[in-house]
Amino acid sequence: QSVLTQPPSASGTPGQRVTISCSGGSSNIGRNTVNWYQHLPGTAPKLLIHSSNQRPSGVPDRFSGSKSGTSASLAISGLQSEDEADYYCAAWDDSLNGWVFGGGTKLTVL
Amino acid sequence: EVQLVESGGGLAQPGRSLRLSCTTSGFTFGDYAMTWVRQAPGKGLEWVSFIRSKVYGGTTLYAASVKGRFTISRDDSKNIAYLQMNSLKTDDTAVYYCARENDNVWGSGRYADYWGQGTLVTVSS
Repeated sequence: QSVLTQPPSASGTPGQRVTISCSGGSSNIGRNTVNWYQHLPGTAPKLLIHSSNQRPSGVPDRFSGSKSGTSASLAISGLQSEDEADYYCAAWDDSLNGWVFGGGTKLTVL
Repeated sequence: EVQLVESGGGLAQPGRSLRLSCTTSGFTFGDYAMTWVRQAPGKGLEWVSFIRSKVYGGTTLYAASVKGRFTISRDDSKNIAYLQMNSLKTDDTAVYYCARENDNVWGSGRYADYWGQGTLVTVSS
């Protein structure tokens, strides 16, 4: 049972916009920023969004993040087949004194 | 180019030990915190431990699931982070990833921006 809650799956067709939600609590998302990672099993996870809405250099502007209260979301516009991967949200938890992750969302591009 | 390479994984019996290494290059190792995250088969990512830079006291923190059994350390002269894993359990079976974290903030604004490819640890009798 993950501390942060994500939908287990999401899907869309090429060109569509999809959003992935991440729900937490007052000790994590409610107090701290959220990071989003893209992961293909067996490969290195990739930082997509940090500090809730900041894109590292090299990440396409099709990816965007937002946070409100104890929830956050990742939006992917202009969906491409290469976006098919697992997506994880993460936040620092002040009560647990450590990182907490969502359970991951498997994105399928139909 | 920033690179992180994990090594030291393998098969271990329950109760035994393994030491993972994270060998880095392409950045000033001593300026960053280092973190370990694992992924059990069919499961999501789980944070394991991190160690701050010496500038911030080299503070170490652990997930409850490994506290008292795992020890994280760093050798800034060799640009390597270690994870000593003792009293291994079958639940520790996972791919272990190391990552670097920015260390100039606490809580908000922290993130792991570069990750290694992972090393597989299998705990089985």
